[in-house]
Amino acid sequence: NAGVMQNPRHLVRRRGQEARLRCSPMKGHSHVYWYRQLPEEGLKFMVYLQKENIIDESGMPKERFSAEFPKEGPSILRIQQVVRGDSAAYFCASSGSVGNQPQHFGDGTRLSIL
Amino acid sequence: AQRVTQPEKLLSVFKGAPVELKCNYSYSGSPELFWYVQYSRQRLQLLLRHISRESIKGFTADLNKGETSFHLKKPFAQEEDSAMYYCALAFNDYKLSFGAGTTVTVRA
Repeated sequence: NAGVMQNPRHLVRRRGQEARLRCSPMKGHSHVYWYRQLPEEGLKFMVYLQKENIIDESGMPKERFSAEFPKEGPSILRIQQVVRGDSAAYFCASSGSVGNQPQHFGDGTRLSIL
Repeated sequence: AQRVTQPEKLLSVFKGAPVELKCNYSYSGSPELFWYVQYSRQRLQLLLRHISRESIKGFTADLNKGETSFHLKKPFAQEEDSAMYYCALAFNDYKLSFGAGTTVTVRA
């Protein structure tokens, strides 16, 4: 079991471009969570998805950010018209069920905005 | 609002010495707390959780609701304990709120 797979590991974008971050959960896991880590800060919850459904997006910025977890394929975190403040490490985690199950994390994607 | 504070950004100890990483939280509900660890070039992984009350790699952590703390302790630090440690609070069942982390260096 390769665990949670995120790609790319590093992503560089210019201001105004779009960034797409991918996350494949652990085998057998159907719950996906995205977190953002700004420099010198802890990880902050962004969104929780199950297959084809957004369950909780209370941590997502209101504009430019969206997430999906289609029936087939990885979960995608999309950031449109990126700005310098979007530079951060974005982590994906998955669990087999919600609640007491621990979340397993990927290696993260480091997004740099030029 | 929930908040996790790790007051020490860096912690350096000698091998064989005790190590304690501080974690304080604020949360109006019933807290569920975790310690995650990230070794060099590895991903974030769960070290222990308060509800299981177990010791992992010699580490223990006790939830003190009166002091709203969940400090991580190990009586005798080893070089392989050098890593980044994050305290995390679970709220609303699945949302994790992390502290900023403490980098531990164990010197020979």
